[in-house]
Amino acid sequence: AQKVTQAQTEISVVEKEDVTLDCVYETRDTTYYLFWYKQPPSGELVFLIRRNSFDEQNEISGRYSWNFQKSTSSFNFTITASQVVDSAVYFCALSELIQGAQKLVFGQGTRLTINP
Amino acid sequence: DGGITQSPKYLFRKEGQNVTLSCEQNLNHDAMYWYRQDPGQGLRLIYYSQIVNDFQKGDIAEGYSVSREKKESFPLTVTSAQKNPTAFYLCATRRGGVTDTQYFGPGTRLTVL
Repeated sequence: AQKVTQAQTEISVVEKEDVTLDCVYETRDTTYYLFWYKQPPSGELVFLIRRNSFDEQNEISGRYSWNFQKSTSSFNFTITASQVVDSAVYFCALSELIQGAQKLVFGQGTRLTINP
Repeated sequence: DGGITQSPKYLFRKEGQNVTLSCEQNLNHDAMYWYRQDPGQGLRLIYYSQIVNDFQKGDIAEGYSVSREKKESFPLTVTSAQKNPTAFYLCATRRGGVTDTQYFGPGTRLTVL
């Protein structure tokens, strides 16, 4: 069965520190997709990134970067020079295709608090 | 503006009552989903629909029902059979193709009194 583990339940850092959120997944599929979503206090999930299992290149978007390592089944997310606005719950998710339908399996989320 | 709307934002229900949560989209996406989120938990799939007039049960469908009569709409009914309905409910649509991704609405927080 597909599974996503975010072992860090809560992280608290001071503004401008770098912080890494861990995500470990389990799947038997050879082709799959991994996602990160941000959930601010308002509740809506905001899409951050989608990564194909065949593409192991790291990705950087501004202060955000993602490290995908297939060998360790990990897809970690780093925020550089964190800001108070980064405070949110972050979810890692793994997709599976069942009869053409995309189903997402979510981790339990990591609550990130950035203190001024 | 294109997007996903969910109404109401907050909903209170008495035990034993059915209640329907609305989800509307104007993104022209074929697939729609309903998820449930409990405090400190990840999202769990309730129902999903790939096309109009077709839907499938997710992992926790018991006590819920849906319909998909129009492409734009995917309402979720929480029935009295749902034992613990108090939760945050999120609707999503899927944009297929090269950028195959699910996008989420603002959510409805349901509280059973």
